[in-house]
Amino acid sequence: SQQGEEDPQALSIQEGENATMNCSYKTSINNLQWYRQNSGRGLVHLILIRSNEREKHSGRLRVTLDTSKKSSSLLITASRAADTASYFCAKGTSGSRLTFGEGTQLTVNP
Amino acid sequence: GAGVSQSPRYKVAKRGQDVALRCDPISGHVSLFWYQQALGQGPEFLTYFQNEAQLDKSGLPSDRFFAERPEGSVSTLKIQRTQQEDSAVYLCASSWSGPTYTDTQYFGPGTRLTVL
Repeated sequence: SQQGEEDPQALSIQEGENATMNCSYKTSINNLQWYRQNSGRGLVHLILIRSNEREKHSGRLRVTLDTSKKSSSLLITASRAADTASYFCAKGTSGSRLTFGEGTQLTVNP
Repeated sequence: GAGVSQSPRYKVAKRGQDVALRCDPISGHVSLFWYQQALGQGPEFLTYFQNEAQLDKSGLPSDRFFAERPEGSVSTLKIQRTQQEDSAVYLCASSWSGPTYTDTQYFGPGTRLTVL
């Protein structure tokens, strides 16, 4: 079974708008990682946020983590058509494996 | 620098055939992971190596699946007597970290396996 449930499953926005994707998880984590996957391609790492961090930025990306609610969000500001992809959150634990959710399919319309 | 590479990129097998999927991790990365990704789903963990030691194989779905990393670098995932339910993309990832902490994992492009 997969943990790290993403919400929404699909999101369609216009270029220039912001996109927010949410992720919830069930058990304790060392970190939470966000990945992007373009159709037919491998996963590209976006941001890793550790369990003792609350917010992290990378360019147009902002990730927050609320360990009390066991949730995280990924915000993409000023979206571009090239941001169209599937976005996954992955829970990192002491066992080294990543546990992925089912992803959010983001479509940015030009 | 070179990323994680996988070969072949696409593999079509008849049901019952054996297949071998190869992964070349980033040079110097200690950890290597295999994941299986079904269509429209997130990747699911299969197995993990630290150097040549297979530390976790709890995600392998059956004893038809076997993975090795004999010299602590290149890894091979072998599937014996393939079944249609084995059709998926098989992703390999590598990272610097050891077993006590999950660090950033760098993924290869995957091998898309189709079993007819």
